[in-house]
Amino acid sequence: AQTVTQSQPEMSVQEAETVTLSCTYDTSENNYYLFWYKQPPSRQMILVIRQEAYKQQNATENRFSVNFQKAAKSFSLKISDSQLGDTAMYFCAILSNSGYALNFGKGTSLLVTP
Amino acid sequence: SQTIHQWPATLVQPVGSPLSLECTVEGTSNPNLYWYRQAAGRGLQLLFYSVGIGQISSEVPQNLSASRPQDRQFILSSKKLLLSDSGFYLCAFKMGSNSPLHFGNGTRLTVT
Repeated sequence: AQTVTQSQPEMSVQEAETVTLSCTYDTSENNYYLFWYKQPPSRQMILVIRQEAYKQQNATENRFSVNFQKAAKSFSLKISDSQLGDTAMYFCAILSNSGYALNFGKGTSLLVTP
Repeated sequence: SQTIHQWPATLVQPVGSPLSLECTVEGTSNPNLYWYRQAAGRGLQLLFYSVGIGQISSEVPQNLSASRPQDRQFILSSKKLLLSDSGFYLCAFKMGSNSPLHFGNGTRLTVT
């Protein structure tokens, strides 16, 4: 079974600052995929970034980047130059190469303040 | 482009009443389809997934059922709702084994 742990239920950051959200996971598989999703107050689930486990290079999407540490089974999300619109729940998720569905963590509620 | 539609957006139902939530996908064929539930605004619990017409896998035994009558249609049902069925229900699809999930806008269900 695969599990995802997000140890920070709530976080806050000031506008324009940088924040890092933590995620650890457990899997017995060698090939898998990791995702970060954002859920703003509208509750729409939006894909932020994805990482293939076989790639050593950390994924980057504009202001969003990850720190993927495969040996430590850690997959943190860094948001640079935080904006008010980044206020949302952030979910970390894992998909095994042989699986059909994503397993999600419980989420981190991020508040960006002016 | 691929899109997913889920309805209704909001639903208030009395205990013991039936439920039917519908989800359709456009712009693709043979997607994997999913129903997730999010309780108390946190965490997503996988309820059902389907890899083809008539093929339903249940992850959590409970008061709900799912059906896939057509390739791009996924329905979540209940014969008699319980208070504990209240929550936010999300339909999603994905294409291929390593692609991400794409979600619908969700249905907020309140059982009274």
